[in-house]
Amino acid sequence: EPEVTQTPSHQVTQMGQEVILRCVPISNHLYFYWYRQILGQKVEFLVSFYNNEISEKSEIFDDQFSVERPDGSNFTLKIRSTKLEDSAMYFCAIQGLIEAFFGQGTRLTVV
Amino acid sequence: GENVEQHPSTLSVQEGDSAVIKCTYSDSASNYFPWYKQELGKRPQLIIDIRSNVGEKKDQRIAVTLNKTAKHFSLHITETQPEDSAVYFCAAKGETSYDKVIFGPGTSLSVIP
Repeated sequence: EPEVTQTPSHQVTQMGQEVILRCVPISNHLYFYWYRQILGQKVEFLVSFYNNEISEKSEIFDDQFSVERPDGSNFTLKIRSTKLEDSAMYFCAIQGLIEAFFGQGTRLTVV
Repeated sequence: GENVEQHPSTLSVQEGDSAVIKCTYSDSASNYFPWYKQELGKRPQLIIDIRSNVGEKKDQRIAVTLNKTAKHFSLHITETQPEDSAVYFCAAKGETSYDKVIFGPGTSLSVIP
């Protein structure tokens, strides 16, 4: 199973602050994904990223969110001005031929 | 839009009994159906999957069935053990690398020793 490392594991931030969540997939994959899971709820798709651009995004992924792959290895999710409702687990994922593999997640708490 | 329904939302069984979780999906383009187990505070972990050209797949105590005509699929766990306690998510996806995974709402399974 491909390894996907996410940092930090837990981040607490003040409402209105910017946060950057990082993902380092240890393999040569072309497609990267961010998913979100609010506590006690299902995992929801946020955005997919291919060839250095967004290939699909959900309605959750509004103008406050952005993704990039700044140095060819790290894959980041930025939330510009966090809201209380952004508190959730954020999972980075890569996909093989068909299977999806998730990182350990970053627990974001907005206070 | 794409949607995956899952029942029941909670399930409690005695150790050694079987557990069955059922899902339905809406997108006819879905061809791959993974099942994930998520323990508290951890990531979803793929436990078994089934593709649309197969009606049933088994891996030790876990089996999945798929009825593509009815858009139903299900997970069967036999001889349940306390360590099977977790949240289980069914999901649907197209059969390419770039298709996103659509998750069901999850089933919280408790196995009572």
